[in-house]
Amino acid sequence: QVQLQESGPGLVKASQTLSLTCTVSGGSIISGGYYWSWIRQHPGKGLEWIGYIYYSGTTYYNPSLKSRITISVDTSKNQFSLKLSSVTAADTAVYYCARGSSNNWAFDFWGQGTLVTVSS
Amino acid sequence: QSVLTQPPSASGTPGQRVTISCSGSSSNIGSNTVNWYQQLPGTAPKLLIYSNNQRPSGVPDRFSGSKSGTSASLAISGLQSEDEYDYYCAAWDDSLNGWVFGGGTKLTVL
Repeated sequence: QVQLQESGPGLVKASQTLSLTCTVSGGSIISGGYYWSWIRQHPGKGLEWIGYIYYSGTTYYNPSLKSRITISVDTSKNQFSLKLSSVTAADTAVYYCARGSSNNWAFDFWGQGTLVTVSS
Repeated sequence: QSVLTQPPSASGTPGQRVTISCSGSSSNIGSNTVNWYQQLPGTAPKLLIYSNNQRPSGVPDRFSGSKSGTSASLAISGLQSEDEYDYYCAAWDDSLNGWVFGGGTKLTVL
């Protein structure tokens, strides 16, 4: 069973860069047919897709966040990471990492999520 | 403002059949498959329906999905108190070149 676990600071100062890592276990990140994703949820709100990366390094980003996002992959550690620059209070959210499957074109496994609060 | 439109709430009594709608456009639901996720507040979403009407292993057949044109629906039959979750629809959007979600529907079992 594939498991994903987010890690990173829970508090980030405004204007700084939010950095999170997702560690994948129970499966290899270089398995073909999967795209490794970041999704966030503002407090009490719905889900917002941030972006995803294939193990090859190909990325797709949400156009509304594209200028501030970098998603990278470290296949040696079976991890992928998110960097979101110039954060503001509007970036306070629970951040989830998830596995997307090209087979069913859905997010089939999710991490538990991590709350990141941006302080002024 | 979410790209896909869902009613903020839905309700039903035990044993009843409830449907949740999801409205989109030609660039998302109209041209791509729809997925549904189930989420208990404070926990991660869980895939409930994929490819419009397919259930992952372990999802009861009380849950079903359908799509017509630029709209999709999630139906829950034989409603149970344990079905009280938030439900989200999602689809790929060809214009935005990314995933879009509905705003979520909170289901209450009366």
